Amino acid sequence: DAKTTQPTSMDCAEGRAANLPCNHSTISGNEYVYWYRQIHSQGPQYIIHGLKNNETNEMASLIITEDRKSSTLILPHATLRDTAVYYCIVTAPMEYGNKLVFGAGTILRVKS
Amino acid sequence: DVKVTQSSRYLVKRTGEKVFLECVQDMDHENMFWYRQDPGLGLRLIYFSYDVKMKEKGDIPEGYSVSREKKERFSLILESASTNQTSMYLCASSLRTPGTPAVKWSYEQYFGPGTRLTVT
Repeated sequence: DAKTTQPTSMDCAEGRAANLPCNHSTISGNEYVYWYRQIHSQGPQYIIHGLKNNETNEMASLIITEDRKSSTLILPHATLRDTAVYYCIVTAPMEYGNKLVFGAGTILRVKS
Repeated sequence: DVKVTQSSRYLVKRTGEKVFLECVQDMDHENMFWYRQDPGLGLRLIYFSYDVKMKEKGDIPEGYSVSREKKERFSLILESASTNQTSMYLCASSLRTPGTPAVKWSYEQYFGPGTRLTVT
């Protein structure tokens, strides 16, 4: 699986958009980009994933560059409850499902 | 809503004890996973199972075994607990990807709340 690089931490003002970058320059053609987050004392929560097109759901948007070497997770209107560790994961599906490898992630602090 | 439950939030055991961590999911998922999470090391996969009685080693299986006798239940077993197994243990489940994946929602892993195990 391709390695990902994320900033250690970021701050965001409440109500503003939070843009979390991720570099995955060695991504291969069949690998997807996934984002999960983990709020303190809880298990990780799936946010979104994509292959090459931009994706949007009720939680966030995922922007993947044309060369697929980097991506950005966008939380359009961050709230205090979005304070969490955000993990960018790149992995290819296997026959029985995908295997996720979680790195250190980005600590996002949303401040009022 | 998908629900993944774990038998305990906190557990304290002594060195050498046999420890069972139980995980139950209620969404008829084929895949189930056990991870451990340690500061500075992130989440690491211990074992996963893609069907009843089937299991595959993850990245750090040493010192652990698993059991999947029913589809909804996946147990992690520490045969002889050691202090270096003090950690947060997280269980997850997901639908199985049938061959070449085509359905997006099959990739989402649903996590339980975790069990914080302390071995003294």
